[in-house]
Amino acid sequence: ILNVEQSPQSLHVQEGDSTNFTCSFPSSNFYALHWYRWETAKSPEALFVMTLNGDEKKKGRISATLNTKEGYSYLYIKGSQPEDSATYLCAFLSAGNMLTFGGGTRLMVKP
Amino acid sequence: ETGVTQTPRHLVMGMTNKKSLKCEQHLGHNAMYWYKQSAKKPLELMFVYSLEERVENNSVPSRFSPECPNSSHLFLHLHTLQPEDSALYLCASSQESFRTSDYEQYFGPGTRLTVT
Repeated sequence: ILNVEQSPQSLHVQEGDSTNFTCSFPSSNFYALHWYRWETAKSPEALFVMTLNGDEKKKGRISATLNTKEGYSYLYIKGSQPEDSATYLCAFLSAGNMLTFGGGTRLMVKP
Repeated sequence: ETGVTQTPRHLVMGMTNKKSLKCEQHLGHNAMYWYKQSAKKPLELMFVYSLEERVENNSVPSRFSPECPNSSHLFLHLHTLQPEDSALYLCASSQESFRTSDYEQYFGPGTRLTVT
């Protein structure tokens, strides 16, 4: 059983704050790391798929970094907006295995 | 607007019933997946179908039976379920098999299943 941990479990921030959260995964047999955003009553939506150590990806105000040697990825949101309120999921893919999701970080942005 | 649709959106069934969940993807993808989201648990991959293989999570009970008649349609047949099977069941698709790392998954809206 692969252990994928996300922290914190939930986070409340004010509109305009920048925030970040963590995904920890096994550092061996790394293949890919996915990030998804899941808004209430909607489908999970892919943000990033990261495959290379040191990768940095950006989409608007959201960015992510990847460290495969130590087994973590950070997701950053700059200038949070109420519409960023969602659960952010990471998922780890190791060679020969199926995608394993973390428990998610629930972000709530107060106007 | 998602390219992955699921029906029904809500389902209530008794433990002796037989029902099926349906998923259809309109994206031309080659891999389809069933996931289970139970309360306060991580999203759990149940089954994968891609061009040449089917993969299943060994912890999934046999009362769940997938069927993939073609690359656009995926079913999950349910029989003699237990109350603990109540959950949100999500379907997803991706351009290539999950074993290819670069491809993101596209999710449907899910079926909320309640077993009474």
